[in-house]
Amino acid sequence: EAQVTQNPRYLITVTGKKLTVTCSQNMNHEYMSWYRQDPGLGLRQIYYSMNVEVTDKGDVPEGYKVSRKEKRNFPLILESPSPNQTSLYFCASSLYREGSGELFFGEGSRLTVL
Amino acid sequence: GENVEQHPSTLSVQEGDSAVIKCTYSDSASNYFPWYKQELGKRPQLIIDIRSNVGEKKDQRIAVTLNKTAKHFSLHITETQPEDSAVYFCAARLGGYQKVTFGTGTKLQVIP
Repeated sequence: EAQVTQNPRYLITVTGKKLTVTCSQNMNHEYMSWYRQDPGLGLRQIYYSMNVEVTDKGDVPEGYKVSRKEKRNFPLILESPSPNQTSLYFCASSLYREGSGELFFGEGSRLTVL
Repeated sequence: GENVEQHPSTLSVQEGDSAVIKCTYSDSASNYFPWYKQELGKRPQLIIDIRSNVGEKKDQRIAVTLNKTAKHFSLHITETQPEDSAVYFCAARLGGYQKVTFGTGTKLQVIP
């Protein structure tokens, strides 16, 4: 089954404790991206990756890191989480198509930073 | 960078009526405009999209229109049903890049 898998789905942590949210897709998609969803703000792009070893900042990259060492994986790293990073996070992937490209989203990871 | 504005933020309609959600974008280089539906507690899913060289696209009860000159695009849902109740997001993507900018969402409630 074609899917994007995120882990963990739910996480409560404390300020400053490094954490990683994993994302994996089995569709051989070149493009992967991370979004955070906050009430009233919609989906905001954190980082995206066009292919292995190619990453770029989205609109809200501060406080986050990513890596793309393999095509299927795109982990999101919070080196020193803060309460303002409490949010619902979505990973997404797509084939790269000029002028199109459906995003396939993971189920989301709800993060609470105390 | 690209800025996408979406209105209204909430919309209530009677079952069977039509619903219209409007979005404007700022960067004339954007060339792909998808719409996503997010049911409560679920992930966003694509419902329809349009490329910049097309003015209108329909898929059964949903349609999207694009006005490149005015830089706005709209989602039209006809004969609304309770299962259409969800949050809808518009988005714009710059041509040649994968930086996707979403609108802030419209919560649609269809009243039976």
